[in-house]
Amino acid sequence: AQSVTQLGSHVSVSEGALVLLRCNYSSSVPPYLFWYVQYPNQGLQLLLKYTSAATLVKGINGFEAEFKKSETSFHLTKPSAHMSDAAEYFCAVSGHAIQGAQKLVFGQGTRLTINP
Amino acid sequence: GAVVSQHPSWVICKSGTSVKIECRSLDFQATTMFWYRQFPKQSLMLMATSNEGSKATYEQGVEKDKFLINHASLTLSTLTVTSAHPEDSSFYICSAFGRRGDSGANVLTFGAGSRLTVL
Repeated sequence: AQSVTQLGSHVSVSEGALVLLRCNYSSSVPPYLFWYVQYPNQGLQLLLKYTSAATLVKGINGFEAEFKKSETSFHLTKPSAHMSDAAEYFCAVSGHAIQGAQKLVFGQGTRLTINP
Repeated sequence: GAVVSQHPSWVICKSGTSVKIECRSLDFQATTMFWYRQFPKQSLMLMATSNEGSKATYEQGVEKDKFLINHASLTLSTLTVTSAHPEDSSFYICSAFGRRGDSGANVLTFGAGSRLTVL
C-alpha cells in the first residue's frame, strides 16, 4: 500500500523567496512520485515526476524535487517564488501499475500563498 | 498533445435527478480512466478505475449503484451520479491513461474537473 503525507496544509512565502513544500511517502514497493499543481476550479497539471531515474527531478515553471529514499521524502522547491505560483500543490505516489496505468494516491495538498 | 476534455465544467441539478459527466481523451486512446472526487479544500479521493470495455473497479466505500461509470470506447468515459442529493455536491475529476499514437509514450492526463451542485 502507498500513502503520502504533506507537511503543512498552508505555506506562505514572499515573492522572490525560496519555496519549499514537503512530502513524505510510504510505499511497500519502489515508488513513482509526482507533484501536481491545481489552480482554483481547475484540474491538475503535472509539475514533475520521479520514476526511478535521476533522484533530482526538474519540472516546469522552475520547480524541482529531490527523491531521498533514506528519508522517504520528495520535497518540492523553487528558488524564487512568483505571484503566479499561488495555487494548491499535491504530492502523489504510485507503487504499481494496473494494466500499464498508474493509480495515484494523493497527499492532502498544500496551499501556497505568495506575499507581494 | 495528450488532452483530456471534461464536460460539463459546472452543473446544477435538483435533488433526485441524475447527472452525467463526460471525460474524453482528444488526441490519444485512453485504455484506462480514473474518476476522483474532491471536497472543498481537500485532496482527491479515487472513486473508481475503468478499463475500456470492462466493468469499473470501485474503491472501498464508493456506491456502485450511485456512481455509474461507463467506458465504452477508447476515448470516452462517463460518470453518472444517479438520484443526486446535496451530499453528492463535489468537484469530480477524471484522468486518462493511454499511449500516444505518434511517440508511443504513455501519458496520464487530468481533465479540468466538473463541479456538481445539487440543490
